[in-house]
Amino acid sequence: AQSVTQLGSHVSVSEGALVLLRCNYSSSVPPYLFWYVQYPNQGLQLLLKYTSAATLVKGINGFEAEFKKSETSFHLTKPSAHMSDAAEYFCAVTQNGANDYKLSFGAGTTVTVRA
Amino acid sequence: KAGVTQTPRYLIKTRGQQVTLSCSPISGHRSVSWYQQTPGQGLQFLFEYFSETQRNKGNFPGRFSGRQFSNSRSEMNVSTLELGDSALYLCASSPGQGMTRGGYTFGSGTRLTVV
Repeated sequence: AQSVTQLGSHVSVSEGALVLLRCNYSSSVPPYLFWYVQYPNQGLQLLLKYTSAATLVKGINGFEAEFKKSETSFHLTKPSAHMSDAAEYFCAVTQNGANDYKLSFGAGTTVTVRA
Repeated sequence: KAGVTQTPRYLIKTRGQQVTLSCSPISGHRSVSWYQQTPGQGLQFLFEYFSETQRNKGNFPGRFSGRQFSNSRSEMNVSTLELGDSALYLCASSPGQGMTRGGYTFGSGTRLTVV
């Protein structure tokens, strides 16, 4: 079984400041990890994914995440927040090599950006 | 290349009725998964279809069912609607099962309101 925990349901940052969203995972087998973003009344858009290649993953819109096996973490960062980053962000995990392909999502973190 | 198309976008139904939601995956994608999103429970996996066969099912009552057609389009059905079924229903398509050849692309969802 796999699961993710997102620390902090709400994060508020100033425009231009660092965005840091925390995600810790639990998986009995090597995981695939994802970050998705959801804007109001929209579906989920993939920001980036870790699939056991490079541990530092670069995604769209200037976001990146680092897979740290020793800490079972996959935190999402962006050096400089923009007003358009205001949205809800979800960390998700699925199993690498197993027959259970479903995504297990965290509870989500809502990001607000202050001008 | 068209994305994942879900119809309708919005739906209002009365308790006790049934509803059918539709999902057209990206052309060439053979796997379709369904997720329910609610404020209280977050994003939960409903089921996955690949090559017209249900491959995986989440922990939902039998009132929730689905199917996949030979052209990979999928429908999900909810019978005897309850107020708690009000949610955003998201469909995701994938080239193959799970992470095979890239992973999941989500549609914009169907917002179901049960009154």
